[in-house]
Amino acid sequence: EDQVTQSPEALRLQEGESSSLNCSYTVSGLRGLFWYRQDPGKGPEFLFTLYSAGEEKEKERLKATLTKKESFLHITAPKPEDSATYLCAVPAYSGAGSYQLTFGKGTKLSVIP
Amino acid sequence: NAGVTQTPKFRVLKTGQSMTLLCAQDMNHEYMYWYRQDPGMGLRLIHYSVGEGTTAKGEVPDGYNVSRLKKQNFLLGLESAAPSQTSVYFCASSRWGVTFTDTQYFGPGTRLTVL
Repeated sequence: EDQVTQSPEALRLQEGESSSLNCSYTVSGLRGLFWYRQDPGKGPEFLFTLYSAGEEKEKERLKATLTKKESFLHITAPKPEDSATYLCAVPAYSGAGSYQLTFGKGTKLSVIP
Repeated sequence: NAGVTQTPKFRVLKTGQSMTLLCAQDMNHEYMYWYRQDPGMGLRLIHYSVGEGTTAKGEVPDGYNVSRLKKQNFLLGLESAAPSQTSVYFCASSRWGVTFTDTQYFGPGTRLTVL
């Protein structure tokens, strides 16, 4: 069964303390991996799409990387406004010729001033 | 552009009542989706649409119906609400997505409580 696992479930960082979030996946034939940010009470906000191993994308303090088995979201010198839940998702085959986006449970990041 | 909008933002129902959630997008996207998000679980796909007049079942379709009469709107209906349908519902849209590989853009969500 295709799965997406994110770790850790929660992460507390001091402002300026860099770290990484992990998203591991088991799908047959990766067709892309998506990272979203979700603030409390709001919908997921798109951050990055990665399509092939070795690909990297950056946006401000965030950098996403992809290998054949996992993706990392690196956060450099985080600020309190980076506090949110970060979700990753991959398209996965759901049977009868259909696909769907399978989401991980997310990592809740808290950045303390 | 407003992007993806959802109405209402909050709703409380009694068991057995019915209601319709409305999703609208102004990006001229072909694909639209309904998800539910529950504590401790990832977003799960309820139904989706690949274009005006089409609908398809997702991972958790039971107890829900959908309609896409206009390209910009996607309705989610609960005919007889149950407490198990208490959740936050998100609508999303994408330009295309035959294999769900295009970016999905999400609305702000509807928090539904069924008593």
